[in-house]
Amino acid sequence: QSALTQPASVSGSPGQSITISCTGTSSDVGGYIYVSWYQQHPGKAPKLMIYDVTNRPSGVSNRFSGSKSGNTASLTISGLQAEDEADYYCSSYASTDTRVLFGGGTNTRVVFGGGTKLTVL
Amino acid sequence: EVQLVESGGGLVQPGGSLRLSCAASGFTSSSYWMSWVRQAPGKGLEWVANIKQDGSEIYYVASVKGRFTISRDNAKNSLYLQMNSLSADDTAVYYCAREPFLYFDHWGQGTLVTVSS
Repeated sequence: QSALTQPASVSGSPGQSITISCTGTSSDVGGYIYVSWYQQHPGKAPKLMIYDVTNRPSGVSNRFSGSKSGNTASLTISGLQAEDEADYYCSSYASTDTRVLFGGGTNTRVVFGGGTKLTVL
Repeated sequence: EVQLVESGGGLVQPGGSLRLSCAASGFTSSSYWMSWVRQAPGKGLEWVANIKQDGSEIYYVASVKGRFTISRDNAKNSLYLQMNSLSADDTAVYYCAREPFLYFDHWGQGTLVTVSS
């Protein structure tokens, strides 16, 4: 069972918008800005699409956007294109010790969601 | 151009050991945290471990603590993962990733580790 919960699949038609959710807790998604999203095509390495909740790396289409509300982060893809069909993973900093944000101990630092398969109809 | 190239994967028996390497180029690796992330066949991503620029901070996921050791050699622009006491649950593609801070902006192509008798 993954630390972050994502829907197993979403689908949409070309030109439509879809949103993928990523639900965690106050110890990860809800507590920090360190939420990121990755796109992975079959047999390929993941690609960074969004970091720090809303930031888009250079070269990533502005059709991809991120947001967060409480313990749930979201990735929205607008103007769906066939090439967007892929698996999408969210990730967050995670601390089991809320007294210490950085450093020390052996707490898990990063957790991923289980992944969402996006199908473009 | 940033490049990360993993090597060292292969078939190993349960209880065995393997050392993965990641060669970095196109950037100053000593300026970044670095991570290992793995993906079991047909499954999702799992962060394994990361290491600070100077090696002074290291973190592991609970399932590999005490068995895996992450290290780096900045002079060689290289990252390593020593894996001991391997089990079938460790079978996965292992990715090396550059980590600006708690996200991964560049990934290698991955190296497959298969633990089987």
